[in-house]
Amino acid sequence: DAKTTQPTSMDCAEGRAANLPCNHSTISGNEYVYWYRQIHSQGPQYIIHGLKNNETNEMASLIITEDRKSSTLILPHATLRDTAVYYCIVVIQGAQKLVFGQGTRLTINP
Amino acid sequence: NAGVTQTPKFRVLKTGQSMTLLCAQDMNHEYMYWYRQDPGMGLRLIHYSVGEGTTAKGEVPDGYNVSRLKKQNFLLGLESAAPSQTSVYFCASKWAGGPNTQYFGPGTRLTVL
Repeated sequence: DAKTTQPTSMDCAEGRAANLPCNHSTISGNEYVYWYRQIHSQGPQYIIHGLKNNETNEMASLIITEDRKSSTLILPHATLRDTAVYYCIVVIQGAQKLVFGQGTRLTINP
Repeated sequence: NAGVTQTPKFRVLKTGQSMTLLCAQDMNHEYMYWYRQDPGMGLRLIHYSVGEGTTAKGEVPDGYNVSRLKKQNFLLGLESAAPSQTSVYFCASKWAGGPNTQYFGPGTRLTVL
């Protein structure tokens, strides 16, 4: 699986859009970008995934660059409950395993 | 629909004691996983199973054993606990193939003295 690089930590004001970047310059054509988050002391939670098109669901939007070497997870109106560690994972569809890196610790400030 | 449940939620062991952590899922998922998470660290895969009666080693399998006798249950055993096994243990499950959407349990916080 391709390696990902994320900032260690980020801050965002409540009510603003939180934009979390992820670099995956070695991604291959059949690998998807997945995002999970882990709120303190809880198990990780799936957020969204995509291959090459931008994706949106009730939780977030995923923007993947045209060359697929990087992506951005967007939380459009961040709330205090969005404070969590966000993991960007690149993996082929149907893979048996996921590899969780260190992720980005996002803090939403009032 | 309970999703993924883990038993117990907390446990304190003495070095050398044994215990079994139970993971149960009611989503009919084929794949199940055990992860550990140390303070300030990401999740590391201990063992996983792609179906009833099958298990495989993950990234950090030493000191642990697993069994998947029933599709809905995945057991993680510590035969002789060590302080280095103090951690939070998460179980997860997913369908075979398709999206890599794993569903996680609430975790078991284990302390080995």
